[in-house]
Amino acid sequence: DIQMTQSPSSLSASIGDRVTITCRASQSISSYLNWYQQKPGKAPKLLIFGASSLHYGVPSRFSGSGSGTDFTLTISSLQPEDFATYYCQQSSSTPQTFGQGTKVEIK
Amino acid sequence: EVQLLESGGGLVQPGGSLRLSCVASGFTFSSYAMSWVRQAPGKGLEWVSGTSGNGGSTYYAGSVKGRFTISRDNSKNTLYLQMSSLRAEDTAVYYCAIGGTYPGSHSDYWGQGTLVTVSS
Repeated sequence: DIQMTQSPSSLSASIGDRVTITCRASQSISSYLNWYQQKPGKAPKLLIFGASSLHYGVPSRFSGSGSGTDFTLTISSLQPEDFATYYCQQSSSTPQTFGQGTKVEIK
Repeated sequence: EVQLLESGGGLVQPGGSLRLSCVASGFTFSSYAMSWVRQAPGKGLEWVSGTSGNGGSTYYAGSVKGRFTISRDNSKNTLYLQMSSLRAEDTAVYYCAIGGTYPGSHSDYWGQGTLVTVSS
């Protein structure tokens, strides 16, 4: 199975900050990388697919980049509604494994 | 409007069985692969199983292979997860999702989840 490792596991940031979360795959996954946002008690929501394609309706302050084994999710200007846990997921092969998550908290 | 509604969760003893259902509406169910993803209390997401649109291809995580069976009834727009030989570590909220099975896929719609608790 492909292992996905996110860093950091948690971070504290202020409104308006630029936030970057990284995700590393244990082997090359091309651009088969998705990012999800999850808030407590809710189902995950797709933010980005194919490493850099913004899902419909997702604000443009979210962006993704990377290919091969190293990927990044960037929030250009953190908003109050962005405090949540973020997960990367590889869709190169089954099982389509997730990273362990990055919790973004208010500083 | 796309909707996925899971049911069938509950409390079950270790070694027991349970069948989860996910009723879909708002899209052509038979045209889409479907998957199950779970989340243990306070933990991250774990992909569990996926199936093709016609149900002819199925895929499992190693942690559930041989114990869980995914299936679908396209005439009823329903996805199932039959779980047997349940263990405490299977305790989780189980989500069904569209997609999440083939290379390059992603899950843009998820259900609200159903809680399975395995405990004596």
